[in-house]
Amino acid sequence: AIQLTQAPSSLSASVGDRVSVTCRASQGINNALAWYQQKPGKPPSLLVYDASNLETGVPSRFSGSGSGTNFTLTIGSLQPEDFGTYYCQQFHNYPLTFGGGTKVDLK
Amino acid sequence: ELQLVESGGGLVKPGGSLRLSCAASGFTFNNYDINWVRQAPGKGLEWVSSISSTSFYIFYADSVKGRFTISRDNAKNSVYLQMNSLRVEDTGVYYCARVEGDSLGPWGQGTLVTVSS
Repeated sequence: AIQLTQAPSSLSASVGDRVSVTCRASQGINNALAWYQQKPGKPPSLLVYDASNLETGVPSRFSGSGSGTNFTLTIGSLQPEDFGTYYCQQFHNYPLTFGGGTKVDLK
Repeated sequence: ELQLVESGGGLVKPGGSLRLSCAASGFTFNNYDINWVRQAPGKGLEWVSSISSTSFYIFYADSVKGRFTISRDNAKNSVYLQMNSLRVEDTGVYYCARVEGDSLGPWGQGTLVTVSS
């Protein structure tokens, strides 16, 4: 199975900060990677698909980049509503796998 | 409105069985693959199973293979997860989600499964 390693596992940042989360795949997955945001007690919500395409309705401060084995989710200017946990997921082959998550909280 | 609603969770003893349901509305159900994903308390997301639109392709995580069975009824816009020989480590919230290209969305609100003696 393809392993996804996210870093960092947690971070604290201030409103307005630029924040980046990385996801490294154990083998090449082309661009078959999605990013999700999850808030406590809620299901995950899709942010980015195919590594760099923003889901409809997601604010433009979110962006995704990368291909192959290295991917990044960037929040251009962190807002208070961006707290939560972020997960990457590969769709290159089954079994589908998720990264371990990155918890973002606000300073 | 696109919607997925899970049901069927509850408290069950180790070795017991449960059948989860996922009812879909707001889209052409028989055009989409559906996945189950679970989340143990305080932990990350774990993919469980996938079923293609026609049920031709079915996949399971190694952790549930041989114990869980996924199925669907396109006439009822529903997907099911039959869970047998349940273990304590199967405890968590179970979500169903629609496959959209190379991503999952939307997701249901989840149903809680607790395996405990």
